[in-house]
Amino acid sequence: DAGVTQSPTHLIKTRGQQVTLRCSPKSGHDTVSWYQQALGQGPQFIFQYYEEEERQRGNFPDRFSGHQFPNYSSELNVNALLLGDSALYLCASSLHGRNTEAFFGQGTRLTVV
Amino acid sequence: KNQVEQSPQSLIILEGKNCTLQCNYTVSPFSNLRWYKQDTGRGPVSLTIMTFSENTKSNGRYTATLDADTKQSSLHITASQLSDSASYICVVSLIVSGGYNKLIFGAGTRLAVHP
Repeated sequence: DAGVTQSPTHLIKTRGQQVTLRCSPKSGHDTVSWYQQALGQGPQFIFQYYEEEERQRGNFPDRFSGHQFPNYSSELNVNALLLGDSALYLCASSLHGRNTEAFFGQGTRLTVV
Repeated sequence: KNQVEQSPQSLIILEGKNCTLQCNYTVSPFSNLRWYKQDTGRGPVSLTIMTFSENTKSNGRYTATLDADTKQSSLHITASQLSDSASYICVVSLIVSGGYNKLIFGAGTRLAVHP
């Protein structure tokens, strides 16, 4: 049983470009959340998708957008990249409900130069 | 404001020793509290998850405690091993409208176990 998989694992982009990160949830999970983790900091919540809709959103600008597909996989898109967007981007999947376990992928390391 | 604070920020211990990490939170309404272990550059891995009615939960050499009245939690690591070197993150789950969980992360405690 595959866990949460993210692609790519590493990515280098130039300031002003756009990037798409991908996440496949753990088998049986229907909810995907995205987090940004700067070096030495805890993860910051970006948004959560359930039933192909954005259900919750953290304090991130509209440059950050996402999508969830019918097979529950998800994409995170970031437009007009800034140097400050350099971080580890984590995807977590879970089964919709209050006390369900969240499983994380290995993350995508994005470097903006 | 919903916050999770962890202490110490970093910790160095010798292999075989025990240690305790602390987590204080001001999250309401509270759903559950989780401890994760995160190796550098990797995704967090769950160690324990506790609801407000649970006082303690163990996972091998890891034992988490929760005091929902004082809003404090601790993670005790027994007989530390070199592989325990990682960041340990306390995460509190907040119930938001629609019944969804929102996870509030602490900044983590960076543990280094030396031989």
